[in-house]
Amino acid sequence: GESVGLHLPTLSVQEGDNSIINCAYSNSASDYFIWYKQESGKGPQFIIDIRSNMDKRQGQRVTVLLNKTVKHLSLQIAATQPGDSAVYFCAENISSDKLIFGTGTRLQVFP
Amino acid sequence: NAGVTQTPKFRILKIGQSMTLQCTQDMNHNYMYWYRQDPGMGLKLIYYSVGAGITDKGEVPNGYNVSRSTTEDFPLRLELAAPSQTSVYFCASSFDRGANTEAFFGQGTRLTVV
Repeated sequence: GESVGLHLPTLSVQEGDNSIINCAYSNSASDYFIWYKQESGKGPQFIIDIRSNMDKRQGQRVTVLLNKTVKHLSLQIAATQPGDSAVYFCAENISSDKLIFGTGTRLQVFP
Repeated sequence: NAGVTQTPKFRILKIGQSMTLQCTQDMNHNYMYWYRQDPGMGLKLIYYSVGAGITDKGEVPNGYNVSRSTTEDFPLRLELAAPSQTSVYFCASSFDRGANTEAFFGQGTRLTVV
């Protein structure tokens, strides 16, 4: 399939290490944020979400942190595995109905 | 449960030709979206729909049209294809908007305009 994200920022980590992927969003009125994972040749897949009235939300091996003061979102992946290699996008829910995506970060996991 | 299905998977168009990208979902979702993704870039919202009979423009609607006559289907129409429309197109759907209503994506349609 097509290799998306050829010119995206890249984060390289060793298997077993923790990964932190960052995202800056633009609209202070956004009330809902989502992280998606996109593997090569596939559509994005939901990872985790967070409402704007929360600072932190944890899932299985993933944690999302939201800092509304500086409009910053981060995704932390614990014990990164080769299967985590993908492009990661943050998305924000604007004006109730629009789901707008950020630029994305490519995560490369080395053995 | 098929989820979101897009057809075709690949297509090559000549400049000025028209085509319709099909998208159907079997999850009874109210919200549907069309995005395009250029190489090395994120997803840009083209059009979206909050229910049958209702559509609205996204970030990059120029050169495209949509319709939503049924809950299941949300076709995207290119009337006069241009090289700038070469991209991968993704359709998505969600039951609602906001928290706890994740969007499900199709596998994408890779379009090349020559």
